[in-house]
Amino acid sequence: GENVEQHPSTLSVQEGDSAVIKCTYSDSASNYFPWYKQELGKGPQLIIDIRSNVGEKKDQRIAVTLNKTAKHFSLHITETQPEDSAVYFCAASRTGGFKTIFGAGTRLFVKA
Amino acid sequence: DTGVSQDPRHKITKRGQNVTFRCDPISEHNRLYWYRQTLGQGPEFLTYFQNEAQLEKSRLLSDRFSAERPKGSFSTLEIQRTEQGDSAMYLCASSKLNTMEGEAFFGQGTRLTVV
Repeated sequence: GENVEQHPSTLSVQEGDSAVIKCTYSDSASNYFPWYKQELGKGPQLIIDIRSNVGEKKDQRIAVTLNKTAKHFSLHITETQPEDSAVYFCAASRTGGFKTIFGAGTRLFVKA
Repeated sequence: DTGVSQDPRHKITKRGQNVTFRCDPISEHNRLYWYRQTLGQGPEFLTYFQNEAQLEKSRLLSDRFSAERPKGSFSTLEIQRTEQGDSAMYLCASSKLNTMEGEAFFGQGTRLTVV
């Protein structure tokens, strides 16, 4: 069945360093890949997304890359800050489908 | 409009009882989704509405679960004869009709504890 694998499950970085989270997906028909940030006691919040016709997208300190051939996509956070500490989820979905498949999440700790 | 609203935020119930959760989506959003999230996992899709029509249900949604969206606005999720395995965060999300399914806005969730 459809599956999204996410690594690592936990990531600890020093403030100012970069953080990278990687995901792979199984459904080759997936063409939309959002990333969500979830803080304690809150629902997931969309932070950036990428579509299959684009290889890379950047928004300030956050960038996402997509390799459709390998079915890999990644989230890159540069110059990390303590407020970046949260759980990050990658996800995949496709046009005409009604559900988004989420990865298991990465808990990011940014140490001041 | 301040976003997707879910009520209650927390619910503790005894095994065997019925519970009902409510979701109020963002006002102009046609699509509404329910997800379930257990500790340490990502949200799992349960069901999807386009306006008042329930168009897809996950196999995770057993016969004890039922969802409605009677007027195409708010939605309810009912769990009958709750079991301890139903303990989870139940998330509602909504999106506009012409956006990709992933461009959804989530509510704060309802945390259910079955004792």
